[in-house]
Amino acid sequence: EVQLVESGGGLVQPGGSLRLSCAASGYTFSSYEMNWVRQAPGKGLEWVSYISSSGSTIYYADSVKGRFTISRDNAKNSLYLQMNSLRAEDTALYYCASYSDNLYYFDYWGQGTLVTVSS
Amino acid sequence: EIVLTQSPATLSLSPGERATLSCRASQSVSSYLAWYQQKPGQAPRLLIHDASNRATGIPARFSGSGSGTDFTLTISSLEPEDFAVYYCQQRSNSLTFGGGTKVEVK
Repeated sequence: EVQLVESGGGLVQPGGSLRLSCAASGYTFSSYEMNWVRQAPGKGLEWVSYISSSGSTIYYADSVKGRFTISRDNAKNSLYLQMNSLRAEDTALYYCASYSDNLYYFDYWGQGTLVTVSS
Repeated sequence: EIVLTQSPATLSLSPGERATLSCRASQSVSSYLAWYQQKPGQAPRLLIHDASNRATGIPARFSGSGSGTDFTLTISSLEPEDFAVYYCQQRSNSLTFGGGTKVEVK
């Protein structure tokens, strides 16, 4: 069974930094493209960032470009999101989400980690 | 950026009724559209991919149709567990989600 477990969320002041992690198990992590998707409290879903299976291709939403950095360590079956210059509008539940075999949509999801940006 | 507009925002129906949800794209996304279901406190679940293909394990009462800019998710006969929020998502140009449709018990 595929499991994605996020961690690293918490309360941070505006302008601060946080690093999120996503630990994957139950499948060959290194074969799958990964994403971060967030959901502000009571709001809809927003795609944040994508990374290819090898890590060579990366994309960001305009709202986080230049502030967030996605990375992965295939040896550790882990995905990361380094978030700098955080703003109040970054407050959200952050999900890691995986594509699956030949399916370029979000097929596997974690349960999310909550990031709150507030003074 | 491709904007996806979902309607209605809320759909009030009774179990056993048919639900029809709409998703309209600001420009053509071909068939690169998916539908997700999200229940309170849970992560979204993929229902339909590439406009009309059910994901693994999704019941046959869920069906998707459309192409280009207009898409529909139909639930043929609502079960109690189907009351939830539904999102559409496109992958034709970057990745964007619609604002969601809440299907609630009438």
